[in-house]
Amino acid sequence: DIVMTQSPDSLAVSLGERATINCKSSQSVLSSSNNKNYLAWYQQKPGQPPKLLIYWASTRESGVPDRFSGSGSGTDFTLSISSLQAEDVAVYYCQQYYSTPPHTFGQGTKLEIK
Amino acid sequence: EVQLVQSGAEVKEPGESLKISCEASGYSFTNYWIGWVRQMPEKGLEWMGIIYPGDSDTRYSPSFQGQVTISADKSITTAYLQWSGLKASDTAMYYCARPRIVGATLSAFDLWGQGTMVTVSS
Repeated sequence: DIVMTQSPDSLAVSLGERATINCKSSQSVLSSSNNKNYLAWYQQKPGQPPKLLIYWASTRESGVPDRFSGSGSGTDFTLSISSLQAEDVAVYYCQQYYSTPPHTFGQGTKLEIK
Repeated sequence: EVQLVQSGAEVKEPGESLKISCEASGYSFTNYWIGWVRQMPEKGLEWMGIIYPGDSDTRYSPSFQGQVTISADKSITTAYLQWSGLKASDTAMYYCARPRIVGATLSAFDLWGQGTMVTVSS
């Protein structure tokens, strides 16, 4: 299985400041056939199911604010929130969906307000 | 409205069997895979398995193979997750989820059910 490792495990950022979460996969999730990275980011708030934010590593899901952005390729990826809002407090997960299942998730990063 | 609606919370004793459901509506049920994701209390997300209701092709994570059974009934657009002998360690929230790309397993999940809490305790 591909192992997904996020860093940090938790993060406290001031309102209006930038938040950055990293995700590293144990093997590349970049497909040579279509040059796409099979990597997604989700946001989960307490008592709610996860919500898809980003897919193909950098494509924002419809309706997701543009302060959320994804970057990276191969094995190293980043989710950035450009100007943290109070409603962004949540746990964030990366997930690889490359090749044969299971399509593993990272362990999660808890984002709080400083 | 495109949605997945899961069955309600369950409280069971160790050794009991259980089948929880995920009813799909608003889209072509047989053309999209449906996956199951476990979240143990205060823990992260674990990908369990996925089924294609069109032909019941099913893939399991090695961690869950033999521990659960995933099935689907296309006549009532419902997917299922079942156990034949629950353990306390099965206590968790279980989510069903649909990939965003029709017919594809290699896709992020863009549609999620609300979750079913399963509590196993004597």
